[in-house]
Amino acid sequence: DAGVTQSPTHLIKTRGQQVTLRCSPKSGHDTVSWYQQALGQGPQFIFQYYEEEERQRGNFPDRFSGHQFPNYSSELNVNALLLGDSALYLCASSLASGGRTEAFFGQGTRLTVV
Amino acid sequence: AQSVTQPDIHITVSEGASLELRCNYSYGATPYLFWYVQSPGQGLQLLLKYFSGDTLVQGIKGFEAEFKRSQSSFNLRKPSVHWSDAAEYFCAVGPLPGGYNKLIFGAGTRLAVHP
Repeated sequence: DAGVTQSPTHLIKTRGQQVTLRCSPKSGHDTVSWYQQALGQGPQFIFQYYEEEERQRGNFPDRFSGHQFPNYSSELNVNALLLGDSALYLCASSLASGGRTEAFFGQGTRLTVV
Repeated sequence: AQSVTQPDIHITVSEGASLELRCNYSYGATPYLFWYVQSPGQGLQLLLKYFSGDTLVQGIKGFEAEFKRSQSSFNLRKPSVHWSDAAEYFCAVGPLPGGYNKLIFGAGTRLAVHP
């Protein structure tokens, strides 16, 4: 079992550009959540996807969008990048069983906006 | 609003000493509680979780945590710290009303271990 895999591991983008991050969930999981972890802070919930739909969203602007594919993998897209978007982006997968399950995290994608 | 507070930003202990990391939460219902560990540049690894039942839960790597509803706390403990335990530790609470496995994290406690 490969666990949760994210790509790429590191990325450098220029302010104003767009970026796409990818996540493959742990085998058997159907729910993918994305978190942003700024330097020195705890992860902040961006949104969650289940059955190819966004079903919950944190306090992030519309520049942050996502997608889930039929195989449960997911993408996070960020448009019009700002310097403040520099962070570690974490993907977590879980089962949609009402919360009594744990979330498994990937290694993250380190995004640097210059 | 739901929140998690980890009062200690940075803790330093000697190898072999005992450890306690504090976590307090604010939550309107019965919480599910988690402790995760993060090594530099890495993702999060689950140490232990509390859903219900026995308030003292055992986790991996010799860690344990105790849920105290009256104090809204879920402190992490280890009787004897190893140098490899140096990392950042995050307490989290979830799910939020409506379920969906969303987690709210504290700001983390960075643990340094002196030889």
